[in-house]
Amino acid sequence: KAGVTQTPRYLIKTRGQQVTLSCSPISGHRSVSWYQQTPGQGLQFLFEYFSETQRNKGNFPGRFSGRQFSNSRSEMNVSTLELGDSALYLCASSSTTGGLLYEQYFGPGTRLTVT
Amino acid sequence: AQKITQTQPGMFVQEKEAVTLDCTYDTSDPSYGLFWYKQPSSGEMIFLIYQGSYDQQNATEGRYSLNFQKARKSANLVISASQLGDSAMYFCAMRENSGYSTLTFGKGTMLLVSP
Repeated sequence: KAGVTQTPRYLIKTRGQQVTLSCSPISGHRSVSWYQQTPGQGLQFLFEYFSETQRNKGNFPGRFSGRQFSNSRSEMNVSTLELGDSALYLCASSSTTGGLLYEQYFGPGTRLTVT
Repeated sequence: AQKITQTQPGMFVQEKEAVTLDCTYDTSDPSYGLFWYKQPSSGEMIFLIYQGSYDQQNATEGRYSLNFQKARKSANLVISASQLGDSAMYFCAMRENSGYSTLTFGKGTMLLVSP
């Protein structure tokens, strides 16, 4: 079974541009979560999608948005990029919708650099 | 207030020795799960072990065990017989019953295993 894949793996953008990152969850997984990881702030939750609906959202400005398609693949978009958006963006998928003790499988991440 | 606190920015251990990575948490939710992830330099988050708030026994997974002390709100990771490949960042995380799949992470501990 293939793991979580994220594309692209590395990205360099200029301030003011926008970027779209893609995440393909493990086959059969309907929940996709996105996290931002920076040296200063650590790992922070961005949002979670389940069956094409956003179920939860972290404390990020509206420049950060996402969506999920019918095949559970998810994209996140960052508009008007700022230097502080440089980070590793991690996607995680899971199959369980209830309970607490289930694994979330993470992808390798997309490393975004904003210059 | 921080929900997950990891007070050790870095830890050193010799190969074959045991090491304990500290984690304390804060939640008012009576139902929650605690998780440990390993992040090698490649960036991918690797699930190690989890413990539910109602579990009476400490979780174990191979060389990993979780020392859960509910009254103290601590969930320390114990790695027995350290190996060179254990050198990585280790993150403690919590999932609350009210938070869907959202994981709240600590700042992490960098573990270096020397020969």
